[in-house]
Amino acid sequence: QKEVEQNSGPLSVPEGAIASLNCTYSDRVSQSFFWYRQYSGKSPELIMSIYSNGDKEDGRFTAQLNKASQYVSLLIRDSQPSDSATYLCAVRGDSSYKLIFGSGTRLLVRP
Amino acid sequence: GAVVSQHPSRVICKSGTSVKIECRSLDFQATTMFWYRQFPKQSLMLMATSNEGSKATYEQGVEKDKFLINHASLTLSTLTVTSAHPEDSSFYICSARGGIGGGLTEFYNEQFFGPGTRLTVL
Repeated sequence: QKEVEQNSGPLSVPEGAIASLNCTYSDRVSQSFFWYRQYSGKSPELIMSIYSNGDKEDGRFTAQLNKASQYVSLLIRDSQPSDSATYLCAVRGDSSYKLIFGSGTRLLVRP
Repeated sequence: GAVVSQHPSRVICKSGTSVKIECRSLDFQATTMFWYRQFPKQSLMLMATSNEGSKATYEQGVEKDKFLINHASLTLSTLTVTSAHPEDSSFYICSARGGIGGGLTEFYNEQFFGPGTRLTVL
């Protein structure tokens, strides 16, 4: 059973701080990793994709991947109250392009 | 770019009726579309994978005769919930995998979600 694990939170950070969201996965052959943001009552929105070990930066977001440790993280710099949402980690491991989602981490950014 | 639409956004129906939900990729041709269901405070549950011109592949435990999927073109997939019952009330979301027209290599791997359809069966 392929699994993606996330801490459900809530993770509470003050405005302007760095929010760090973590995700581990069980399938060693996984090759593609994604972070989605989901606001309450809305559908997920793709924030970042990462395929190689190391860091990938896009604006205030940085995704980090460590395949040896089967660990992927998302850093949000200068957190804003509008970043308050549930962040879903997703992993693709086979040729079907199906994604396996974690249960999500709820982030609260306090003004 | 990478816009996926769903229609309707919200539907309320009586028990026993059938409901059709449309999913369209507006600015790209989607190689594959996926249908998910999400219950309150739970994560996404993949129901089926749909490729244009072929039968959908359903996940274990999903009744193919109850959730009919038709993928008529590279930009349109439909989900029909047949003989809906109150337990089918949920948030149904489609996604489309980037394909032709994306322009970027990574686009081919990424899934873009529609806004979702909230189904309430009375």
